Amino acid sequence: EDQVTQSPEALRLQEGESSSLNCSYTVSGLRGLFWYRQDPGKGPEFLFTLYSAGEEKEKERLKATLTKKESFLHITAPKPEDSATYLCAVQASGGYQKVTFGTGTKLQVIP
Amino acid sequence: DGGITQSPKYLFRKEGQNVTLSCEQNLNHDAMYWYRQDPGQGLRLIYYSQIVNDFQKGDIAEGYSVSREKKESFPLTVTSAQKNPTAFYLCASRQTGEDTQYFGPGTRLTVL
Repeated sequence: EDQVTQSPEALRLQEGESSSLNCSYTVSGLRGLFWYRQDPGKGPEFLFTLYSAGEEKEKERLKATLTKKESFLHITAPKPEDSATYLCAVQASGGYQKVTFGTGTKLQVIP
Repeated sequence: DGGITQSPKYLFRKEGQNVTLSCEQNLNHDAMYWYRQDPGQGLRLIYYSQIVNDFQKGDIAEGYSVSREKKESFPLTVTSAQKNPTAFYLCASRQTGEDTQYFGPGTRLTVL
């Protein structure tokens, strides 16, 4: 069974304090790994898709990286508006390409 | 603006009642999905549809039903058979040939 584990569950940072969120996964053939941002009471907002080990993608203060067993979302010099829950998901190859979601990391950035 | 709309944003239901959640998209996406989100759990797939007039059960389909009569619309009915329906419901869509699912704003259903 495909599994996604995100750590930590919650993270509190001072504004400007860089850190990383972890997403460990097991999947029967990885087709893609996704990162989403979710604000309270809203739907997830797409951030990145990664397909192969070694791939990196950046958007403003966020950079996502991928290895064969995990992905990291690096946040550089975060601002209070980066506060949100960050979701990781993996898509299996084959079949209907099921997507399995992690439970998320709740990030709070304090001014 | 292209996107996915869900209505209503909040829905209250008495036990024993069926309710229907609306999901509409103008992205011209072929595939549409319904997920349920509960505190401390990852999103769980209820139903999905890859083409008009066809849909498949996801991991937790019991107590739910869907239809896909139009490409743009994928309504979800929560029936009285669903034992614990209070949750945040998310609709998503995806273009054939691409992998990324895009989500709507969600509907919070509360059973009184």
